[in-house]
Amino acid sequence: GAGVSQSPRYKVAKRGQDVALRCDPISGHVSLFWYQQALGQGPEFLTYFQNEAQLDKSGLPSDRFFAERPEGSVSTLKIQRTQQEDSAVYLCASSLGESGTGELFFGEGSRLTVL
Amino acid sequence: GENVEQHPSTLSVQEGDSAVIKCTYSDSASNYFPWYKQELGKRPQLIIDIRSNVGEKKDQRIAVTLNKTAKHFSLHITETQPEDSAVYFCAASTDSSASKIIFGSGTRLSIRP
Repeated sequence: GAGVSQSPRYKVAKRGQDVALRCDPISGHVSLFWYQQALGQGPEFLTYFQNEAQLDKSGLPSDRFFAERPEGSVSTLKIQRTQQEDSAVYLCASSLGESGTGELFFGEGSRLTVL
Repeated sequence: GENVEQHPSTLSVQEGDSAVIKCTYSDSASNYFPWYKQELGKRPQLIIDIRSNVGEKKDQRIAVTLNKTAKHFSLHITETQPEDSAVYFCAASTDSSASKIIFGSGTRLSIRP
């Protein structure tokens, strides 16, 4: 496709359940970012990949959060033992270059609701 | 790490008037400052950006100014139109191979007819 694609668009999980969120970046984009956006807030940085290398995971809120991009294309954000405070929209973005100073192309997000 | 503060959180202006949104950043190494627009239920999209080697950039009705000494930058929208209603986010990052873009908390702009 032409843009960044995320799935599922909506996910309802029971507390304690594991979830996996998928991101298909724009073909050829080197950089991939995951952000968490709570209602009425700006995107909060979670983690950053350059190709398959996870260069920064300083924003992951706990060890229940794990992200991978094994072949340098599709990425998965996994949340184990979900908690209510994990409820948010998870945005994936990709950019063409290696540095953090290029346009980010966002997906439509995956809205996670933890009951 | 970088911290970006944005204000106001909400802004209502009469159609045709100007709107100004202001941001400050903490990391003096930051040298790239994009602005993203997010319409209700949609993904954020880049509307304009500025690098630290310039003080101002314009694109039709939108302009951004940067004051590196004071570490603040602003978005100016002139002749506002209904389609300008959205949430606007400022952001900052550095030009390094492992840099991340840090966003402000957003400004909800409403244009009154």
